[in-house]
Amino acid sequence: AQSVSQHNHHVILSEAASLELGCNYSYGGTVNLFWYVQYPGQHLQLLLKYFSGDPLVKGIKGFEAEFIKSKFSFNLRKPSVQWSDTAEYFCAVSNSGTYKYIFGTGTRLKVLA
Amino acid sequence: GAVVSQHPSRVICKSGTSVKIECRSLDFQATTMFWYRQFPKQSLMLMATSNEGSKATYEQGVEKDKFLINHASLTLSTLTVTSAHPEDSSFYICSARTVGGEKLLFGSGTQLSVL
Repeated sequence: AQSVSQHNHHVILSEAASLELGCNYSYGGTVNLFWYVQYPGQHLQLLLKYFSGDPLVKGIKGFEAEFIKSKFSFNLRKPSVQWSDTAEYFCAVSNSGTYKYIFGTGTRLKVLA
Repeated sequence: GAVVSQHPSRVICKSGTSVKIECRSLDFQATTMFWYRQFPKQSLMLMATSNEGSKATYEQGVEKDKFLINHASLTLSTLTVTSAHPEDSSFYICSARTVGGEKLLFGSGTQLSVL
């Protein structure tokens, strides 16, 4: 069965620190990969997605993620976080061609001003 | 712009009553909507896929008679939790796929508390 694992449940960083959130998935076929963010009191929003092509994907707000097929990973990165990046981040996987998403457990990021 | 509107955002009900949650696509038509459930500190769990004009497809372990889904139009899907019990207390989120697009938009969620 498909599964998504996010290793860090809580992360606390100071402003300007670099961020990397881990995401590993378990699935043998072709997948689409996503990172969503949920700011306090708001909807889930798409940060970035990978369907095919360049495995280094750039998203909104300076976020990027790298798909490493051999490691079944899709880690999220940002070189310098801001206080406004405080949110919960979810990694998700879907079968290519479908829209059934499997979500990770989420990582709560707190950025200290 | 395209938005998914979910109501109510919070509902408290007595055990044994039924609760209906609405999910509307605004400014777009959604042939497919999805319903998720999220327990505290856990992942969003897909409950069912709702296709306009046809029966919903439920994930394994989800009781279709307890969680009734209706997708009668291209802009509205409803989830009814029937005969709710305290163990049904959870956060429910809907999402909708834009027609012809690859984008999933999420509603703001409904916190259900069953007393």
